[in-house]
Amino acid sequence: QAVVTQEPSLTVSPGGTVTLTCGSSAGAVTSGHYPYWFQQKPGQAPRTLIYDTSNKQSWTPARFSGSLLGGKAALTLSGAQPEDEAEYHCLLSYTGARWVFGGGTKLTVL
Amino acid sequence: EAQLVESGGGLVQSGGSLRLSCAASGFTFSRYWMNWVRQAPGKGLEWVANIKEDGSERYYVDSVKGRFTISRDNAKNSLYLQMNSLRAEDTAVYYCALLRNVWGKGTTVIVSS
Repeated sequence: QAVVTQEPSLTVSPGGTVTLTCGSSAGAVTSGHYPYWFQQKPGQAPRTLIYDTSNKQSWTPARFSGSLLGGKAALTLSGAQPEDEAEYHCLLSYTGARWVFGGGTKLTVL
Repeated sequence: EAQLVESGGGLVQSGGSLRLSCAASGFTFSRYWMNWVRQAPGKGLEWVANIKEDGSERYYVDSVKGRFTISRDNAKNSLYLQMNSLRAEDTAVYYCALLRNVWGKGTTVIVSS
């Protein structure tokens, strides 16, 4: 089973920009992995921010964007707000409709 | 509004069984792959299993193969997870999810050793 890697923690200043990445031990992440990004705040269920690399849900703030960058999936937050402090999880699809989550990135806005 | 509500969690001894249920509403349940995702205390998310719209395909994470069975009843808009031979490491909050846009609030499973 592939291992999906994320930065354990990142810090961004209010109003600043930060990029979270999601890599695969099986090689470059492509659109064929259908990358997802989820936001989870303490005590809450996850919430889908991005699906299929770059598609947003209606509730996804415009300051979040998804892409492929240097062989990884990426989530960029431009203009960080205090309410963006959360855990961010990426998810990749592998053969046979199996999915693997990354370990999550704890984002601090400070 | 699309909604998923899990139930069936609880405290069980190691080696025991539990059946989780997930009731869907507000969307056409029969049109979508459905998933179970779990989160152990203080840990990240782990995808557990999924099932195709008509139930004809099912996939599992290696750690639960042969012990867990995912199923669905489209007439009842319901998803299930039968968990047998439970281990302490199965202790987690279990979420039902339509990955693209709907998550339940989760149900807690505690396996005591």
